[in-house]
Amino acid sequence: DGGITQSPKYLFRKEGQNVTLSCEQNLNHDAMYWYRQDPGQGLRLIYYSQIVNDFQKGDIAEGYSVSREKKESFPLTVTSAQKNPTAFYLCASRSTSEQYFGPGTRLTVT
Amino acid sequence: RKEVEQDPGPFNVPEGATVAFNCTYSNSASQSFFWYRQDCRKEPKLLMSVYSSGNEDGRFTAQLNRASQYISLLIRDSKLSDSATYLCVVNRPPAAGNKLTFGGGTRVLVKP
Repeated sequence: DGGITQSPKYLFRKEGQNVTLSCEQNLNHDAMYWYRQDPGQGLRLIYYSQIVNDFQKGDIAEGYSVSREKKESFPLTVTSAQKNPTAFYLCASRSTSEQYFGPGTRLTVT
Repeated sequence: RKEVEQDPGPFNVPEGATVAFNCTYSNSASQSFFWYRQDCRKEPKLLMSVYSSGNEDGRFTAQLNRASQYISLLIRDSKLSDSATYLCVVNRPPAAGNKLTFGGGTRVLVKP
């Protein structure tokens, strides 16, 4: 089955710790994206990558970092510099006609 | 002004009724429009693209009004399973990075 996997589904961390969220796709898509969603709000773009070894900041990149060493993988690191890291994080990849989402990771930082 | 705005709802709809809601967008150069459906605590999934001439997919009809910069979604003969949040999505024009911008969503609750 083709698709996007994100792990873990739920993640709990203490304030001040960096945490890396996994995103893997086997759809052979070049473009991949990270969004965050807060309750009652739309998705906001954190980072995106159009091709391997290249990525750009989205609208809310501060406090986050990414890498794109392989086409299939686009991990997101939430650093201790991110002021409000608790959120639902969604990874996506895009074909010419549609954007597909992974199941998401709910990160809670206390 | 937000790039994409939606009435958050909820729209409480009796089963079998028709419900319609709009979404406004600010960038007149936007070229592609979509409706995504998001169930509670799940990822969004594409419901339908919105074409200039309007399009229909079963009980769902989407319309685009470029002059007034809004898109609409109409659901006929509502089912309990239509209860979800509907996200309006606009593709920014190439000059703005060709990325998707999401509205905050309109919540629809279909009740027996």
